[in-house]
This record gives sequence, C-alpha cells and structure tokens, in this order.
Amino acid sequence: GAVVSQHPSWVICKSGTSVKIECRSLDFQATTMFWYRQFPKQSLMLMATSNEGSKATYEQGVEKDKFLINHASLTLSTLTVTSAHPEDSSFYICSAREQGQGFGYTFGSGTRLTVV
Amino acid sequence: GENVEQHPSTLSVQEGDSAVIKCTYSDSASNYFPWYKQELGKGPQLIIDIRSNVGEKKDQRIAVTLNKTAKHFSLHITETQPEDSAVYFCAASGNYGQNFVFGPGTRLSVLP
Repeated sequence: GAVVSQHPSWVICKSGTSVKIECRSLDFQATTMFWYRQFPKQSLMLMATSNEGSKATYEQGVEKDKFLINHASLTLSTLTVTSAHPEDSSFYICSAREQGQGFGYTFGSGTRLTVV
Repeated sequence: GENVEQHPSTLSVQEGDSAVIKCTYSDSASNYFPWYKQELGKGPQLIIDIRSNVGEKKDQRIAVTLNKTAKHFSLHITETQPEDSAVYFCAASGNYGQNFVFGPGTRLSVLP
C-alpha cells in the first residue's frame, strides 16, 4: 500500500530558530498533501493543504508566515516552522492520498517538535 | 461545513470482550467514512473504511456499520486484545476525499 515517510520523527530546537519537517510519498505521486497539528489527547487539526507547484492553502487561524509550506515536487512537501516558540511545540503529521487507489489518506509517522 | 462527533471519548474493556465506538456526522453530502487507529507517538493508520453505498463492512475482528439516513456509523471490534489499545478516530469526507473531517477520538484500553 501507499507509504508516506516523514522526517524527522522528533526534533528539539531553541526559541527563535526555524525547523523544517519533510513529508515524502513513497512509490506514488501526490499532487496534494496535508499538514496537521495535534495537541496531547486531542484530534488532528488541519493546518494547510500543500499543492504541488502552487501556493499552499491555509486553514483559518493558521499563520502562513509562521508555517511555511513548500511542495516543490510530486513526492515531497516540507513544513518549516519559522522563529519557533514554546507554544509551537506539538505533534505535526502529514498525509497524502494515492490517486486512483481508493479514498483513504495515508499518514506519515508524525514529528514531535519541542521548542525550548 | 462537516461536523463529526464521536462517543465515547474513553472506553475500557476486558480482553476478549467487544468494543463499539459511534460517530455521527452532519453533512449529508459525505460519502466516505474511514476509521483510523493511532498508537502513542505515531501517525494514524487506516484500519477500515466504508462508502455510503454499503451498510456494513467486515475485516476479521473489525467491522463498520453505516446508517446514512440517521447519519451515523460505528466501529465494532470483537475479541479485543491488549494490542487493540490505542486512540481511534472516525472521519467523514466527500466522494473524492474533499472536506475530510476527523472526529475527536476515542481512547480504547483493553485490560488483560
């Protein structure tokens, strides 16, 4: 089945620095990928839709200058958390759907970001 | 937009017993209803799904039922095992995956 690879699985960074998270679709092309944020004991909140070759679409309340998304190829989307602060600490998860292979989305393994 | 509710928020069962998790949705245009299992520190994994033209689907110990008229669907796990302990999320979306919305999740604990 479709596999989505996400890296790193965890990262610790200092306040004010930027962190990049990668999401790759393995063995399939994904024109659209999705980025979610999950707080402890809560559901996944959609942050943005990443579109290959065009600008990402952000959900209401998500700062696009804070969370930079780049989808430069059909298999790679990146999320960069800029000028990170402790309140950005969270679990970030990406997902993608293989075209023509049903309607289900495949999720990456997630990235635990801790800002100190 | 779509709104998905899920109950219960936590569920504890004895090993070998059955577990049932229920979800309701608001948008009658939703046609696809997947269930995901999320283990601690990992991303959600699709375990079963159902489309609106089917009332029930089964895969070994897991089954999903859908009542489109009432706009609710349920996950049934039989003969539960400790490894079934996880958080389960239901979701609803349109035919092509649009308007994909998760439920709030159910934390299932299977006690040995």
